[in-house]
Amino acid sequence: GQQLNQSPQSMFIQEGEDVSMNCTSSSIFNTWLWYKQDPGEGPVLLIALYKAGELTSNGRLTAQFGITRKDSFLNISASIPSDVGIYFCAGRENYGQNFVFGPGTRLSVLP
Amino acid sequence: GAVVSQHPSWVICKSGTSVKIECRSLDFQATTMFWYRQFPKQSLMLMATSNEGSKATYEQGVEKDKFLINHASLTLSTLTVTSAHPEDSSFYICSARQGSTPQYFGPGTRLTVL
Repeated sequence: GQQLNQSPQSMFIQEGEDVSMNCTSSSIFNTWLWYKQDPGEGPVLLIALYKAGELTSNGRLTAQFGITRKDSFLNISASIPSDVGIYFCAGRENYGQNFVFGPGTRLSVLP
Repeated sequence: GAVVSQHPSWVICKSGTSVKIECRSLDFQATTMFWYRQFPKQSLMLMATSNEGSKATYEQGVEKDKFLINHASLTLSTLTVTSAHPEDSSFYICSARQGSTPQYFGPGTRLTVL
């Protein structure tokens, strides 16, 4: 079945630094989603991407739908302590299908 | 929009008792609902998927007699952990979507079985 890989698995960065993470699939997807999970909470949808090459921003967050349609990227600029959490990607091959979730990237921000 | 609530947010119960967790979509009709389990510092583990009015589809390794799921209406799904044991202690999160929209997650329910 579909498998999603997220890289890196975890990362420690200094406050103010930019962050990049990615998600790759073994299949071609038509939708990519990025979520953030704060400790003790449910994941919250950050950005949804529906078209290859699409670049969408949400505040300091920018996500891109890879042109191969097998990957997606999330960037966070000028990180702050509240960016700490787990970032999950999710994707699907067709609109009628359920989303497959990646294992998450755990972000820690050092003051 | 797209708000999902869960109740209770946390529960402590004795071993052998059953616990029911509710998941509600507050401002949309959830044609599909999902139940996940998450252990500390682990990823989301999908337990089951349910469509309104249909029986839930359980993932491999998830006991359907242990984790009873009911999706009786377009705004409510329940997960009942029957005869709970300490190893069932975990963070349970529901998620819902309407049609082909993205999934929206509830805030989670932390279950502790003594």
